[in-house]
Amino acid sequence: QVQLQESGPGLVKPSQTLSLTCSVSGGSTSDGSYYWSWIRQHPGKGLEVIGYIYYSGTTYYNPALQSRVTISLDTSKNQFSLKLTSVTAADTAVYFCARVVIVTDVSGYNDYWGQGTLVTVSS
Amino acid sequence: EIVLTQSPGTLSVSPGERATLSCRASQSVSRGFLAWYQQKPGQAPRLLIYGASSRATGIPDRFSGSGFGTEFTLTIDRLEPEDFTFYYCQQYGSSPWTFGQGTKVEI
Repeated sequence: QVQLQESGPGLVKPSQTLSLTCSVSGGSTSDGSYYWSWIRQHPGKGLEVIGYIYYSGTTYYNPALQSRVTISLDTSKNQFSLKLTSVTAADTAVYFCARVVIVTDVSGYNDYWGQGTLVTVSS
Repeated sequence: EIVLTQSPGTLSVSPGERATLSCRASQSVSRGFLAWYQQKPGQAPRLLIYGASSRATGIPDRFSGSGFGTEFTLTIDRLEPEDFTFYYCQQYGSSPWTFGQGTKVEI
């Protein structure tokens, strides 16, 4: 059974960098059949794809966040990470990591998700 | 980007009845690349349907998906108590992949 678990600070100050890590068990981040993604959910609202990474290091970022986002992968630790710079209150959300089943080079659906972690941006 | 509009926002039904949820896309969803997820409060979304109509592993057959182009439907037959929660559609045919705003199924 594949499991994903997010970790990182639950409180970040405005203008600082949000950093989260997703630890994967029961599956390998080196498996070329999957992307590894970050998705967020603002309180009481819908879901937003932040971006995803392939085992080769290829990344895709949502254009709305692209200038502030970096997703990286450490296959030796079976982990991938998210950095979001210059955060504001609008970045307060539950952040999920998820595995993406690759359907084509630019499409895929999420089959396993982490439980999510709430990150609050506040001074 | 493709905007997905789910309706209704809230659906009131009784256990044992059928629920029909709609997801309308602002543009045609490429190759029917549409998924449905169930989310219970405080939990991660759970994949129900992918490719518009394929059930994910372990999903009961009372859940079914249909549609193509811009109109998609999730049908839940014989509603069980655990089915009363939130449902989201997602298109993954065009970047950025986008989600609908959700439908709450309540008793």
